[in-house]
Amino acid sequence: SAVISQKPSRDICQRGTSLTIQCQVDSQVTMMFWYRQQPGQSLTLIATANQGSEATYESGFVIDKFPISRPNLTFSTLTVSNMSPEDSSIYLCSGVLLPGLEGQETQYFGPGTRLLVL
Amino acid sequence: GQNIDQPTEMTATEGAIVQINCTYQTSGFNGLFWYQQHAGEAPTFLSYNVLDGLEEKGRFSSFLSRSKGYSYLLLKELQMKDSASYLCAVKDSNYQLIWGAGTKLIIKP
Repeated sequence: SAVISQKPSRDICQRGTSLTIQCQVDSQVTMMFWYRQQPGQSLTLIATANQGSEATYESGFVIDKFPISRPNLTFSTLTVSNMSPEDSSIYLCSGVLLPGLEGQETQYFGPGTRLLVL
Repeated sequence: GQNIDQPTEMTATEGAIVQINCTYQTSGFNGLFWYQQHAGEAPTFLSYNVLDGLEEKGRFSSFLSRSKGYSYLLLKELQMKDSASYLCAVKDSNYQLIWGAGTKLIIKP
């Protein structure tokens, strides 16, 4: 299994500002993902974080709004830029272990970052 | 399009058995996952099925029928701590996870 940590765990931000969320994994993972989840709803994939190259964004999400970095196999950041109240949500980081490691098929999740934009 | 269907909410009694169904229509199939998510927490992995049949893990079992595009999660000897949302997710031909909306399970004493 993998242990994934995120920080900050929660934040309250002003409209128009930006927040960078960090995700750290204790094992090497092949793929890392960033999700958004509104209260009581399921997960919405924002993008796949690719090591050493630009992230792959899902429909409705763009790099200018959600820039993502992944400098190595165990770390990634998501920035929520020029925030508005509509960006208030829980942001979750997840990873899939490298082949050969136990539980390689499983996507593990970080504890989430609860963001409130005023 | 790709679609995962599961009931929005279910209620069961402590000590009883409950079955949460999931039907899917996806472009390809590379496995089905069940996750548990308590309110305010991240999803945690419960089970993974890639072949037809039943996978048992303690009080929880998961069943898959690929020909029917159908899975269920069976929870036995329900405990109050089982109150949570249960998410069904299918890995498609691109190995991307397609998520259902989740089933909120309410356990009553």
